[in-house]
Amino acid sequence: KAGVTQTPRYLIKTRGQQVTLSCSPISGHRSVSWYQQTPGQGLQFLFEYFSETQRNKGNFPGRFSGRQFSNSRSEMNVSTLELGDSALYLCASSSVPGLAGYNEQFFGPGTRLTVL
Amino acid sequence: TQLLEQSPQFLSIQEGENLTVYCNSSSVFSSLQWYRQEPGEGPVLLVTVVTGGEVKKLKRLTFQFGDARKDSSLHITAAQPGDTGLYLCAGALGFQGGKLIFGQGTELSVKP
Repeated sequence: KAGVTQTPRYLIKTRGQQVTLSCSPISGHRSVSWYQQTPGQGLQFLFEYFSETQRNKGNFPGRFSGRQFSNSRSEMNVSTLELGDSALYLCASSSVPGLAGYNEQFFGPGTRLTVL
Repeated sequence: TQLLEQSPQFLSIQEGENLTVYCNSSSVFSSLQWYRQEPGEGPVLLVTVVTGGEVKKLKRLTFQFGDARKDSSLHITAAQPGDTGLYLCAGALGFQGGKLIFGQGTELSVKP
């Protein structure tokens, strides 16, 4: 079974631009979560999509948004990029999101975003 | 405020030594996962613990979930250079779907 894939793997943008990242979950997984990883803050939850609906949202500004398609693939968008948005963006998929407290997530390799 | 405190943050040991990494919280988790991450890659799931007091073993790695489901530990016996990496604990709070709370991570370096 193929794992979680993310594209692109690396991205360089300048301040003020916007960016779209893509994530394809493991086949059969319907939940996709996005995380931002930085050296200072570690891994922080951005949002989760399940059945094309946003189910959970972290404490990030509205510049960060996402969506999920009917085939469970997900995209996240960051508008008006800031220097502080430079990070590794990780997506994770799960087959049983929150079922009886069991929440096993499998991560993709991430997209390294650099904002200049 | 860090909901999940992980310690130590850095650990440098010699091959063959034992080590323990701790994750502590004042919150009760419905499940807790341990991941290992290599530079430039995504975290790889090692184990999930769900029941208070649960102990799971993965070769030389032993994972324990506290009785009250507020803390967990990872013990590595006879560490090897291949164990080098970033170890992360992550907890799920109640029924919050696909949201994991991560500890800050433990950078482990095992020298031959």
